[in-house]
This record gives sequence, structure tokens and C-alpha cells, in this order.
Amino acid sequence: EVQLVESGGGLVQPGGSLRLSCAASGFTVSSNYMSWVRQAPGKGLEWVSVIYSGGSTYYADSVKGRFTISRDNSKNTLYLQMNSLRAEDTAVYYCARDIMDYYGSGSFNDYWGQGTLVTVSS
Amino acid sequence: DIQMTQSPSSLSASVGDRVTITCRASQGISNSLAWYQQKPGKAPKLLLYAASRLESGVPSRFSGSGSGTDYTLTISSLQPEDFATYYCQQYYSTPPITFGQGTRLEIK
Repeated sequence: EVQLVESGGGLVQPGGSLRLSCAASGFTVSSNYMSWVRQAPGKGLEWVSVIYSGGSTYYADSVKGRFTISRDNSKNTLYLQMNSLRAEDTAVYYCARDIMDYYGSGSFNDYWGQGTLVTVSS
Repeated sequence: DIQMTQSPSSLSASVGDRVTITCRASQGISNSLAWYQQKPGKAPKLLLYAASRLESGVPSRFSGSGSGTDYTLTISSLQPEDFATYYCQQYYSTPPITFGQGTRLEIK
């Protein structure tokens, strides 16, 4: 059974740092594309970052230069290092597995974790 | 980046109603579209992908259609557990993946 369990959220002051973890089971993180998606309180879904199976990484413009996505293959865990945090980064952060659409192009998210809340406030 | 516009942003309906939600892309996305259901305090759940393909375990009252820039999600006969927020997502031109702003489906 595929499971994703996020951790590491909490309250942090503006300018601070936090590292989110997403422990996966039932599949191999390094063999899949993996994404982080966030949702500000009462708002919609916003894609944050993706890491491809080959190791390439991509970021939303809103977090580029401040966030870093990575993975630990030995722990089968995905990470999101968040630096220089701002109030507008306050959100529930979800990790999600990407799966290729073999009927067309691109990949979508078939499994999601339960989310971890990050609050940036003084 | 491809922009996704969902309509309506909210709607009220009754159990048994047929409901349609629309998603329009700012450019053609060749059916690279997924639909998700999200209930309060929960993670999104995949309903359909490739515009019309039902994810395993999703009830057949959910269906999707469309082409080019315009896509729809239809629920043929609303059940009490269907009241939730629905999001479309394009994955044709990525990154970035982009989502619609969501449609909140409420009980009338």
C-alpha cells in the first residue's frame, strides 16, 4: 500500500528556516517524480516544486532561490528545505507522487500525504 | 505558464442532482487534465486523469470530457459524500503544473 507521511511543519518567524520531510512506503521515491504542493488557509492548491527520477529539480517562481527539494534514497524520504520564510508561505504543505500519463503527456499526482502545516509569523 | 479557470467557483445542489463543473485552459492541453476532490482538512483525492479516465475505485457517477482548452467534470447523481471542493489540474506543459481555483459544491 502506498503511503506518504509528512512531518516537520510548525511555527517559524519570518526569515527563518524549516525542513519538511515526507516518508514514503509502498514504492520507491527515487524511481518516481515527486512533488510538493501547498494550500494557504482557505485558498486553492499551488504547486511548489518537483524532483524528477533523474534528479532534476524545478520550483515555482514564488519559492525559487529560497526552497530546495531533495530526497534520501536510503530512507525513501522526500524533503523540502525552506529558507527565508515569509508570511505568504503559510500553508499546509503536501507531498505527492507523480505518475506518468501514458495516454498523453506529462504526469499528475496519484497519491498525496496528509499534509503538514507551516505557519510563518512573529 | 498555462492558466486554468474553473467555473463556477461555488454551487449549491441537492442529492440526486446532475452537476457539471467547467475548466478552461489558457491554451490547448491535449487532454492532459486531472480532476481532484478535496474535503475539509483532507488531502486532495484523484478522481480522473487524461480528461476522461476514471481512477481506480472512483464511482462511475463521476465522468470527464472535453478537448483543446475546455473540459468538464460531471457528477451524474449527487450523493451526500460528494459535497466537497473540486480542482482541475493541467499537466501538459510542466513545470509548472497549474490548478484551477477550485469549485466548492455545497448542499442546497
